[in-house]
Amino acid sequence: AQSVTQLGSHVSVSEGALVLLRCNYSSSVPPYLFWYVQYPNQGLQLLLKYTTGATLVKGINGFEAEFKKSETSFHLTKPSAHMSDAAEYFCAVSDSGGGADGLTFGKGTHLIIQP
Amino acid sequence: AAGVIQSPRHLIKEKRETATLKCYPIPRHDTVYWYQQGPGQDPQFLISFYEKMQSDKGSIPDRFSAQQFSDYHSELNMSSLELGDSALYFCASSLRSAGNTIYFGEGSWLTVV
Repeated sequence: AQSVTQLGSHVSVSEGALVLLRCNYSSSVPPYLFWYVQYPNQGLQLLLKYTTGATLVKGINGFEAEFKKSETSFHLTKPSAHMSDAAEYFCAVSDSGGGADGLTFGKGTHLIIQP
Repeated sequence: AAGVIQSPRHLIKEKRETATLKCYPIPRHDTVYWYQQGPGQDPQFLISFYEKMQSDKGSIPDRFSAQQFSDYHSELNMSSLELGDSALYFCASSLRSAGNTIYFGEGSWLTVV
């Protein structure tokens, strides 16, 4: 069984500040990890994913995440927050690259950007 | 690039009625997924199909059924609707031979009154 824990249902940062959204996972097999962003009343957009290889993954909109097996973490970061980053962010895990069993999502983190 | 298409985008039904949601996956994708996202909740996996066969089942109620057709589009049928079925229903698709990244549609809003 897999599970995802996102620390902090709400995170508030100032515009231009570092964004750090935390995600820890549990999986009985090597995980495939994903971050999705959801803007109000919209669908889920893939930000980035980790499958194998390089543990530092770069995504769209300046976001990146680092897979740390020893810490079972996949935290999402962005050096400088922009107002347009305000959205709901979901970390997700799969044991088959997003395969037949689908994704298990965390509860989500609402990112608030203060002007 | 073509994305996952869902219809209708919004649907209002009364309790005990039936609703059908349609999903058209990205062309050439062989796997379709259905997710349910309640208000303020994370998406929950319902069911998936690979090459038109049911592949895996998540937390899909017995009142719900789904299928994938020969043209790879999928339909989610929901009967005896309850107020708690009000949610955003996502369809997603992927191609197993291409890393299997899941791409989501915009979702269908179902409101049960």
